[in-house]
Amino acid sequence: AQKITQTQPGMFVQEKEAVTLDCTYDTSDPSYGLFWYKQPSSGEMIFLIYQGSYDQQNATEGRYSLNFQKARKSANLVISASQLGDSAMYFCAMRGVLSGGYNKLIFGAGTRLAVHP
Amino acid sequence: GAGVSQSPSNKVTEKGKDVELRCDPISGHTALYWYRQSLGQGLEFLIYFQGNSAPDKSGLPSDRFSAERTGGSVSTLTIQRTQQEDSAVYLCASSADGLAGYNEQFFGPGTRLTVL
Repeated sequence: AQKITQTQPGMFVQEKEAVTLDCTYDTSDPSYGLFWYKQPSSGEMIFLIYQGSYDQQNATEGRYSLNFQKARKSANLVISASQLGDSAMYFCAMRGVLSGGYNKLIFGAGTRLAVHP
Repeated sequence: GAGVSQSPSNKVTEKGKDVELRCDPISGHTALYWYRQSLGQGLEFLIYFQGNSAPDKSGLPSDRFSAERTGGSVSTLTIQRTQQEDSAVYLCASSADGLAGYNEQFFGPGTRLTVL
């Protein structure tokens, strides 16, 4: 069965500093995708970044990058130059070919990030 | 363009009543998903629609829950005989193609359901 683990219930970072949010996963799927979503206090889930299991390079999207270590089954999100607007819940999610198929995302419990001025 | 919309944004109901939650996906998206987010917990998959295929209902927690998608667009999630444990935020998402693993899901703002 697939499982996503986010071990940091809460994190804080100083504005303009970088922060890493941890995510480890467990799957027997040969092919899978990893996602990060941001959920501000408004409640809407905002897609940030995607990493495919066969992608050779780590994904990057602006200030977001994904530190993908396949052998360790980790997909940590790195936010560079934190901004006050980055304060939110962050969810790591996965979907795979075999375990439930591409039709569902399995989410971690989330990490609440607070950016301090 | 318009994103995923959901209505109502908030719903308060009494235990035992039926409720209907509505989702309007992004135009042209063939895949539609429902998730539930309970207080202090992550998101839980409920049901998935892909085009005209039979939906994947594997995440529905009981037979009190059902969903339909009319005309390949709007979806309604129905909860019959609501219980207090049904209180949660119900999130709808859509994606361009549910069969392609890299397609991200775009989420709506959710419906906060409170069962008294």
